[in-house]
Amino acid sequence: SQQGEEDPQALSIQEGENATMNCSYKTSINNLQWYRQNSGRGLVHLILIRSNEREKHSGRLRVTLDTSKKSSSLLITASRAADTASYFCASVYDKVIFGPGTSLSVIP
Amino acid sequence: NAGVMQNPRHLVRRRGQEARLRCSPMKGHSHVYWYRQLPEEGLKFMVYLQKENIIDESGMPKERFSAEFPKEGPSILRIQQVVRGDSAAYFCASSPSGQGNGYTFGSGTRLTVV
Repeated sequence: SQQGEEDPQALSIQEGENATMNCSYKTSINNLQWYRQNSGRGLVHLILIRSNEREKHSGRLRVTLDTSKKSSSLLITASRAADTASYFCASVYDKVIFGPGTSLSVIP
Repeated sequence: NAGVMQNPRHLVRRRGQEARLRCSPMKGHSHVYWYRQLPEEGLKFMVYLQKENIIDESGMPKERFSAEFPKEGPSILRIQQVVRGDSAAYFCASSPSGQGNGYTFGSGTRLTVV
């Protein structure tokens, strides 16, 4: 399978806490992307980090990339109930390969 | 500038019928990708097409599934003789190039086979 892994599979935190999700991938990449999916909806692109970058920020999101370990992490700071969703990493070379996702629940 | 348009949003088919899912890419995008998402799972790559060409169909089941992206009109994912296991959400994405940048997803078609 080309899919990598994400952990944890599910994460439940209190509003205001930080949420960290990890992703591993298997192949070489041009970039790695993170997406959010609310229940029953389509995917929303969150952030893209290129293979020559190590860290990227966007608002309350922080993404790191370690190409030597073929891994990435997504940190959401000061979480809100509206952040409740599934989060997917996607490794990109000639096509986009998604991980199985992390289901995040933020409890008000 | 409309995003990626998929229709129908919901499709119900009886076992043995055909399902046709349509995807109109964003204006200026000539690369289309189809993904399938089973309940509670991630997205699985199915096929990558450019206008009139299938570039990578490594994720397509060998039988009953086909895809096209004609010179004019939307991309079509066709499933013949549907079975219950085909029930899933099918997402289409488009990009202006094949480098995986500028990916935009449609809202998906939810296929239910009864």
